Amino acid sequence: AQSVTQLDSQVPVFEEAPVELRCNYSSSVSVYLFWYVQYPNQGLQLLLKYLSGSTLVKGINGFEAEFNKSQTSFHLRKPSVHISDTAEYFCAVRRYSGNTPLVFGKGTRLSVIA
Amino acid sequence: DVKVTQSSRYLVKRTGEKVFLECVQDMDHENMFWYRQDPGLGLRLIYFSYDVKMKEKGDIPEGYSVSREKKERFSLILESASTNQTSMYLCASSPRTNEAFFGQGTRLTVV
Repeated sequence: AQSVTQLDSQVPVFEEAPVELRCNYSSSVSVYLFWYVQYPNQGLQLLLKYLSGSTLVKGINGFEAEFNKSQTSFHLRKPSVHISDTAEYFCAVRRYSGNTPLVFGKGTRLSVIA
Repeated sequence: DVKVTQSSRYLVKRTGEKVFLECVQDMDHENMFWYRQDPGLGLRLIYFSYDVKMKEKGDIPEGYSVSREKKERFSLILESASTNQTSMYLCASSPRTNEAFFGQGTRLTVV
């Protein structure tokens, strides 16, 4: 079985400062990795994904993430945050084998302070 | 664009009622999912379906059932709603691999 740990439940940060949201996963098989964002009262929107290839993945809204297989991590970063980045962020994994569900972490609430 | 549509954004039901949550996707995806979202608990999988009439239990199936008679539609059924089923319900669809696409969610309140 797979599991995902998001190490911080809440991250406050000042506007224009950098931010890192941490994600570690556990799996005995190869997985795909995802970050989703959820704005208030909305569904989840894909930020970025790692399927294969380059371990540095760029997504929407200036976010990027780095896959580290040895540390089983997939941390999300942004060099300069905006007020509009205030949202909940979810890390997820999915087995390569297909027809399997995504397994999510508990989420990190990012609050950007003016 | 992929569209996943949930029939209601907000629902209020009474304890003991039978509740149907409907979800429709327009991208011919094989897989469909129902998740429940609660503060501090993230998204927990209730059921998923990888083909018409096929279903698999997720982590918290108790008190729920599902139906998938057509590829594009996946229904979640609360047989007898209880107050502890008050929550946000998220439907998603995906191809066999790769990412899932989510609907806007249904916020269900059981009184």
